[in-house]
Amino acid sequence: KQEVTQIPAALSVPEGENLVLNCSFTDSAIYNLQWFRQDPGKGLTSLLLIQSSQREQTSGRLNASLDKSSGRSTLYIAASQPGDSATYLCAVKDYKLSFGAGTTVTVRA
Amino acid sequence: DTAVSQTPKYLVTQMGNDKSIKCEQNLGHDTMYWYKQDSKKFLKIMFSYNNKELIINETVPNRFSPKSPDKAHLNLHINSLELGDSAVYFCASSQEFRQGGNSPLHFGNGTRLTVT
Repeated sequence: KQEVTQIPAALSVPEGENLVLNCSFTDSAIYNLQWFRQDPGKGLTSLLLIQSSQREQTSGRLNASLDKSSGRSTLYIAASQPGDSATYLCAVKDYKLSFGAGTTVTVRA
Repeated sequence: DTAVSQTPKYLVTQMGNDKSIKCEQNLGHDTMYWYKQDSKKFLKIMFSYNNKELIINETVPNRFSPKSPDKAHLNLHINSLELGDSAVYFCASSQEFRQGGNSPLHFGNGTRLTVT
């Protein structure tokens, strides 16, 4: 059974600091890993999708890496802004998508 | 235009009642899903439909019955509601389901169900 863990559960940083969010999973037989953002009272927004054959994906200030063999992914957010405050979830896909509990990020102005 | 829309946004009801949540996607996707997010924020898949056909049913009580009249709609009907059913239910869709598929999921804004 796939288990996805995200550490830390919460993170508070001053504006401008870089963010590092960690995700680990127990079964490396995955097709892809996705990072989502969830705002309070809203659904999830897909940020990045890394296929199992890829090592990283980048979109703007976001960069996600994947080390499938060790069961780890890291989401980097450069030069954080207050608008980055949200909960970030990672999910891995085998026959279904399994989610971590998320990291709640607060960026202080 | 909202890509994945679900109604209602909030649903408060008493134990034992039957209720439905509706979901529609205008993305032309083949696959739709229902997820449940509990109080600890874990998202767990409940059902997945591909072209109106049930693909995934994840040990959900049979009080929960999904219905897909067409591939753009996936509704969730819940019978005999229990306190433990209180959660946020999310509908989602993706382009395709196949095992190695790499289409990202698109989520609705959720329905917060409270059973009293």
